[in-house]
Amino acid sequence: GAGVSQSPRYKVAKRGQDVALRCDPISGHVSLFWYQQALGQGPEFLTYFQNEAQLDKSGLPSDRFFAERPEGSVSTLKIQRTQQEDSAVYLCASSLGRWRRNTEAFFGQGTRLTVV
Amino acid sequence: GQQVMQIPQYQHVQEGEDFTTYCNSSTTLSNIQWYKQRPGGHPVFLIQLVKSGEVKKQKRLTFQFGEAKKNSSLHITATQTTDVGTYFCAGTGGTSGSRLTFGEGTQLTVNP
Repeated sequence: GAGVSQSPRYKVAKRGQDVALRCDPISGHVSLFWYQQALGQGPEFLTYFQNEAQLDKSGLPSDRFFAERPEGSVSTLKIQRTQQEDSAVYLCASSLGRWRRNTEAFFGQGTRLTVV
Repeated sequence: GQQVMQIPQYQHVQEGEDFTTYCNSSTTLSNIQWYKQRPGGHPVFLIQLVKSGEVKKQKRLTFQFGEAKKNSSLHITATQTTDVGTYFCAGTGGTSGSRLTFGEGTQLTVNP
């Protein structure tokens, strides 16, 4: 496709359940970002990949959060033992630029996670 | 860590009025990007500023980057109803690598 694709668009999880969120970046984009956006707030950085290398995971809020991009394209954000405070929109973005050479970031539609 | 503040949080204008949102960083930025997010949508890139004192224009939108590279502004002339949305600034700099640190955003509503 032409843009960044995320699935599922909506996810309802029971507290304690594990979830996996998928991101298909734009083909050829080196950089991939995950952000968390709470209602009425700006996106908060979670983690960054350059190809398959996870160069920055300093934004992951706890060790329940794990992200991977094994072949340098599709990425998965996994949240274990979900808590209510994990409820948010999870945004994926990709860009052509490499580490420290920022270019335009293209965002996906996001996955809205609701933990009940 | 790096913090980016944005004001105002909300702005209501009549169609045809001008609008400005301001962005301030706690640290010197390498560059700053601006995004627009429509209600229910995702952030869409508007522009990137890199040089100290840089000014860029896109039709009715004017973007400025401060001389000290710690602040930025977005000005919209003669707002239209299509300008409705939340405008975010996002900066990178220092030890943040490629991380974009977003401001809280300014939510613009335009009354026809």
